[in-house]
Amino acid sequence: GESVGLHLPTLSVQEGDNSIINCAYSNSASDYFIWYKQESGKGPQFIIDIRSNMDKRQGQRVTVLLNKTVKHLSLQIAATQPGDSAVYFCAENVRGGGTSYGKLTFGQGTILTVHP
Amino acid sequence: DGGITQSPKYLFRKEGQNVTLSCEQNLNHDAMYWYRQDPGQGLRLIYYSQIVNDFQKGDIAEGYSVSREKKESFPLTVTSAQKNPTAFYLCASSIAAGDYEQYFGPGTRLTVT
Repeated sequence: GESVGLHLPTLSVQEGDNSIINCAYSNSASDYFIWYKQESGKGPQFIIDIRSNMDKRQGQRVTVLLNKTVKHLSLQIAATQPGDSAVYFCAENVRGGGTSYGKLTFGQGTILTVHP
Repeated sequence: DGGITQSPKYLFRKEGQNVTLSCEQNLNHDAMYWYRQDPGQGLRLIYYSQIVNDFQKGDIAEGYSVSREKKESFPLTVTSAQKNPTAFYLCASSIAAGDYEQYFGPGTRLTVT
């Protein structure tokens, strides 16, 4: 999963497998979380979000799980396809720092490679 | 076709020159953001604007400046004071600041030699 540091975590899967990408977030007061997908040389694309009053949220082929007890977020991709190959970032909305609305703080990212 | 545009996609400058990166959105979003991304790293917040004529420093504002004279536009100037300006710059917007999805532009890759 993601953590502070210089080495980007990687995950390699076979086409059709399910993928699970993990993220450890830093602030217990964070109340909103997002997963983004970024392809090489492009801007991040929104995948799914979840608020802290939920434990699970499902989208099309994706599920986000939130465990507030251990400050852990995961993204599950069902039936992974070669087009899912990208860097995946989690982001948390951290309140405080003099603002009432907080701002997104991004993790380092996980490289997902899907082999045909 | 709504979205965020950044131009140019690639930009080259000599050291010591200021350079301005363009960001325009037609999503009618109040909040806009500038991030910097270095190889193998996540996004770091440079500046953000909650509303027109307002902007706040992010985590790495030194050597950068912004303006927000129009709702649609949030240009970023990389000044000669920025020690390591070569990076991939991403602009984003959201309906409001805080816990809302941010929509990203395609990015500008700036190379300073």
